[in-house]
Order: sequence, then structure tokens, then C-alpha cells
Amino acid sequence: RKEVEQDPGPFNVPEGATVAFNCTYSNSASQSFFWYRQDCRKEPKLLMSVYSSGNEDGRFTAQLNRASQYISLLIRDSKLSDSATYLCVVSDSGSARQLTFGSGTQLTVLP
Amino acid sequence: DGGITQSPKYLFRKEGQNVTLSCEQNLNHDAMYWYRQDPGQGLRLIYYSQIVNDFQKGDIAEGYSVSREKKESFPLTVTSAQKNPTAFYLCASSTSGNEQFFGPGTRLTVL
Repeated sequence: RKEVEQDPGPFNVPEGATVAFNCTYSNSASQSFFWYRQDCRKEPKLLMSVYSSGNEDGRFTAQLNRASQYISLLIRDSKLSDSATYLCVVSDSGSARQLTFGSGTQLTVLP
Repeated sequence: DGGITQSPKYLFRKEGQNVTLSCEQNLNHDAMYWYRQDPGQGLRLIYYSQIVNDFQKGDIAEGYSVSREKKESFPLTVTSAQKNPTAFYLCASSTSGNEQFFGPGTRLTVL
């Protein structure tokens, strides 16, 4: 079983649509959670951290359910520029702060 | 400008050769990391270093070596012992917090 699992997609949605990505993690001791965005053939960049109470950043909303070991990302009013691969990332509780990456969910927003 | 640089962007190697990938950061970060990414997969940790003159193996260290003689630099050598070295190599750095900042990556192809 993978430590961090995501639906690989691809998700193809029209502009203006709302799309949701899900992620599950296996290590119950995980402490920190993130969504990274990776454009084609580029490096990953932090999109947002995920907090226990849920958090929002503009059109993006992240949710965490520790009991179910489940993380989600909701994108509202999709833009063409949102097309990318979205990586679910989990951090352990060790001092090295190692990150464990999911394999990513590919999103294409269509005009 | 502050950031992480990696060179070269593309690298071609013949089988049996060792190659060294450069990673430099001027963010004054203590921790640095090397990952590899294969198509359709998440990033996997090769080596990491929390402080100068110290480094630890990640999940897939076999066939790789690193050094950390300076805070700013964390070069990765891909040795001939690495059986499948063709991949996208990403270097990252962070402070004591969790967010990791990535360099633009090096694409290594073994001919």
C-alpha cells in the first residue's frame, strides 16, 4: 500500500467548474500536510498547507480529516491556468521533516 | 534574487559513467534534499542533509552519493552502480519548518 494515495486522473473540466481532489495517507503519526502544484516538466511549488480546521486561499479550499486520514483540495471557478498536476504531500513527525509525496492528480481546464 | 539553482538542466550520460548534479541555494537554509521523479510517480527521497558535514540516506540512496561541505551546496553524484538513473532530479531546501523550496531540476538521460 502506498503511503500517500491519490487518484491520478486525468480530470478534464470546463472553465468555471468546481473540482475536488482527494488523498489518503497511511501513517497516522503524520504531522503536517500540504498541497503542491507541479506544472509540466517543472519543479513542484507549494500551493497551500492544510490545517486541521480547514483553510481557504481564494478559490482553493483544503480540508483534513485526521480520523479518516484523508485530505482534500477543492478548486472553485477553475481557470485555464489551474491546469497542472496537484501533489498531496505529508510530513512525518521526525526532526528531519521528511516529506512523502503522492503521485499526483492531473488537472486540465478546458476553454 | 534568493533561490535554488540546479545545473545542468539536461544531462546525458553513457552507461558506466559517474555524473555529478549541482545544487546551490542562497536562502540560508540549513536543510537540503535530493529527490528523483519518474513519469507518473511521486517524488522519492534520495538523500538529505540537515546541517553542514552531515547527511542521511533517504528511501532510494543506493547508487548515489552526496557531500555537504558548504551550507549553500549539496551536490549529488549518480554512480555507475545506479541501475536505472534516467529520471528528473530535484533538489530542495528548507529552514527548520516544513516548507521545502525546489530548484528547477535536472533531467538525466542515460544513453
